Amino acid sequence: EAQVTQNPRYLITVTGKKLTVTCSQNMNHEYMSWYRQDPGLGLRQIYYSMNVEVTDKGDVPEGYKVSRKEKRNFPLILESPSPNQTSLYFCASSTSNRDNQPQHFGDGTRLSIL
Amino acid sequence: GNSVTQMEGPVTLSEEAFLTINCTYTATGYPSLFWYVQYPGEGLQLLLKATKADDKGSNKGFEATYRKETTSFHLEKGSVQVSDSAVYFCALRSRSGGSNYKLTFGKGTLLTVNP
Repeated sequence: EAQVTQNPRYLITVTGKKLTVTCSQNMNHEYMSWYRQDPGLGLRQIYYSMNVEVTDKGDVPEGYKVSRKEKRNFPLILESPSPNQTSLYFCASSTSNRDNQPQHFGDGTRLSIL
Repeated sequence: GNSVTQMEGPVTLSEEAFLTINCTYTATGYPSLFWYVQYPGEGLQLLLKATKADDKGSNKGFEATYRKETTSFHLEKGSVQVSDSAVYFCALRSRSGGSNYKLTFGKGTLLTVNP
């Protein structure tokens, strides 16, 4: 089954404790992206990757890092989480970086930073 | 920059009622347009898409037509069901600075359908 898999689905942690949210897709997609969803703000792009070893900032990259060492994986790293990073996070992928390609989303990771 | 404006919710309807969720956009160039649906506790699923002017996207009884002249992509369904209760997002994908074709989302509309 074609899918984007994120782990964990839920995490409660404390300020400053490094964490990683994993994302894996099995569709051989080139383009991958991270979004955060906040009430009243919709979804905003954090980082994106057009291919292996090619990553760049989205609209709200502060406090986050990513890597793309393999085509299927695109982890999101919070080196020193803070309460304003409490949010619902989605990983997405698409065939390519083209306007007519829909992005496929994971089920989301709900992070609470205390 | 690119932006999407969709009608504020929540929207509450009775089963079998007609649904319209308005969506308008601002974009440079000619974006592709999408509607995504988010059921409670789940991720976003693509509902339908249209990639050029006058295209009609349709799926599961939902329809939306790409109207370039009014920069709109309104979502419609003739007869909603309780199972359609979800949050609906209008989105566009277009070039956004540099070479990134990112998705730009509206803020979402919560639909509740009562039996």
